[in-house]
Amino acid sequence: AQSVTQLGSHVSVSEGALVLLRCNYSSSVPPYLFWYVQYPNQGLQLLLKYTSAATLVKGINGFEAEFKKSETSFHLTKPSAHMSDAAEYFCAVSRSGTGGFKTIFGAGTRLFVKA
Amino acid sequence: DSGVTQTPKHLITATGQRVTLRCSPRSGDLSVYWYQQSLDQGLQFLIQYYNGEERAKGNILERFSAQQFPDLHSELNLSSLELGDSALYFCASSPTGQGNYEQYFGPGTRLTVT
Repeated sequence: AQSVTQLGSHVSVSEGALVLLRCNYSSSVPPYLFWYVQYPNQGLQLLLKYTSAATLVKGINGFEAEFKKSETSFHLTKPSAHMSDAAEYFCAVSRSGTGGFKTIFGAGTRLFVKA
Repeated sequence: DSGVTQTPKHLITATGQRVTLRCSPRSGDLSVYWYQQSLDQGLQFLIQYYNGEERAKGNILERFSAQQFPDLHSELNLSSLELGDSALYFCASSPTGQGNYEQYFGPGTRLTVT
């Protein structure tokens, strides 16, 4: 069964520092991978997705993620954190199986940005 | 604004009751997904419909059911409610039922069972 592991339920960085949110997946075949962001009292919105094209994927708001098959990882990075990046981030994996495609979300990582 | 609408925004009800949550997908999207988000269990996939038919099932309880109507809106019915059903319920939509498409999430319905 596929699963998604996000290392660290909380990550705190200073404004201007590198953001690194970790995601590892388990899947016997390359899946489709996504990062979503959830701001307080809102639904999730897509940051970026990997669908077997370029392994380095650029998303919105300066975020990017690199698909590394050998490490089964899809970590999210941003060179310089802004206060507005404070939110919860979810990694998700989707692949076909019996009963159609299923998307499994990680437990989420809450990002705090200190001034 | 994702284009996905959900009603109501908040719902407070008592144990044992039944409620219906409604979702209208983005214009043109054929697939609707339902999720439950709670502090202890995170974001859990419940069920997916594609063009009126059930496509995939997740961790949906037998007390819960859903359907997608010909106009593509969807309803999630929760019955015999328990305190543990208190959660945020999200609906999402995508153009197709394929996994390579992102999902567009609605703002959610916050259900409180007292």
